[in-house]
Parts: sequence; C-alpha cells; structure tokens
Amino acid sequence: DTGVSQDPRHKITKRGQNVTFRCDPISEHNRLYWYRQTLGQGPEFLTYFQNEAQLEKSRLLSDRFSAERPKGSFSTLEIQRTEQGDSAMYLCASSGTGGVNQPQHFGDGTRLSIL
Amino acid sequence: AQSVTQLDSQVPVFEEAPVELRCNYSSSVSVYLFWYVQYPNQGLQLLLKYLSGSTLVKGINGFEAEFNKSQTSFHLRKPSVHISDTAEYFCAVTLSGGSYIPTFGRGTSLIVHP
Repeated sequence: DTGVSQDPRHKITKRGQNVTFRCDPISEHNRLYWYRQTLGQGPEFLTYFQNEAQLEKSRLLSDRFSAERPKGSFSTLEIQRTEQGDSAMYLCASSGTGGVNQPQHFGDGTRLSIL
Repeated sequence: AQSVTQLDSQVPVFEEAPVELRCNYSSSVSVYLFWYVQYPNQGLQLLLKYLSGSTLVKGINGFEAEFNKSQTSFHLRKPSVHISDTAEYFCAVTLSGGSYIPTFGRGTSLIVHP
C-alpha cells in the first residue's frame, strides 16, 4: 500500500491559465474521488469514478472543471480559464471494492494559488 | 439527503486533559460513520469508523467514538490529549444502500496547549 499520490503539491498560476492535476490512487482501489477544500471547511465533493466510468459529475463547480480516468488507474482534474475563486486545496481519495462502508484514503492534495 | 453537523468549530484544551469533539447527523436510514484527522498541509487520515455492531469504536492514536442512534450522534473522545493531536477533525457519513459519496462535516479544529 503506497498510498494515494497527488502531483503537483503546489501550483501557482495566473488568472486565465489552465491547470491540470494528477492523482494516482492505491493500485487495487476501483473508486476515485476529487474534492475541493477551502480554509476552515470540510472537503467539498466534485466528482468520482468507478474504474474508468465517471459516475457523478453534476457537482463539478462549473463547466471549466473536468476530470478523466482513461484507463481506470490514475486520474486528472483540469480547470480551464482559472479564476481567483478557484484558489483552494484539491484533494483526491480512493476506496476499495465493497459497499458504501469503505473508508476513503486521501492524498496530500494539490494547493492551487491564482495570482 | 443526509447531513453532518460538527457543533464546535474550535476546541482548545490543555495537554493531558480529556477532550470530546461532537458530531451529529441526520438521516432516515442506517448510516456508516467515520472520523478523519487532517494535519497541516496533508490529506485526511482515517481515525476510526462505525459500520455495525458495538456502538463503542476504538481507533488509532488513542481515540474512540460512541454511536448513539437515538441521539443521532457519533462523538469522538480521547481521555488524555497530546500536543501532537493538534489538527483538524472531520466527521463523515454514508448511507446504507445509498450513494458512494460521503457527506463531511465542516470540521473541528482541536488546539492542544502545553
């Protein structure tokens, strides 16, 4: 169990630029989740995958946000035309096969700062 | 839909004192409950979980929690805290037979003073 890995850990960019984050889940986990976390708040769900299928994406914050998991392994989260309000920590988590009682395993997140 | 309320945004306590972090949930169906801890600049780490069975659940780092169905609560306790327990604590719930998407509380910041 090597844990969930996220890259980069920090990203600083100018407003209007596109950014892409990568998440590598625990290898045997089939579910992968993306969250946004702002200061003083809990994780805010964005989207999740079961294998390569994106099963919930209606809670992505706007059409500027998109996520992929092309081979059911790693995933990417892209934000196009970034805005200052996108500054936050973006967390990835994975969970194993089984029911809704499976806990989530989190990466250390990517902190995005928009100048 | 389920919801989670963490009643205290911040809990200051002295080292070696006991602490209780409160979590209440609302749901009309059976739930699974989790507590996670988040240290600065890190992701969340599972402390403990309640799935079924004994209502008193023991977790890592000396923490325990008690599931109370009648009060819809899942409070986290530790009899004697350390400076290293200073962190953000999140309660989360998923519904039995429901979505795989958990609902998280807003978090409680535990601040342990020497």
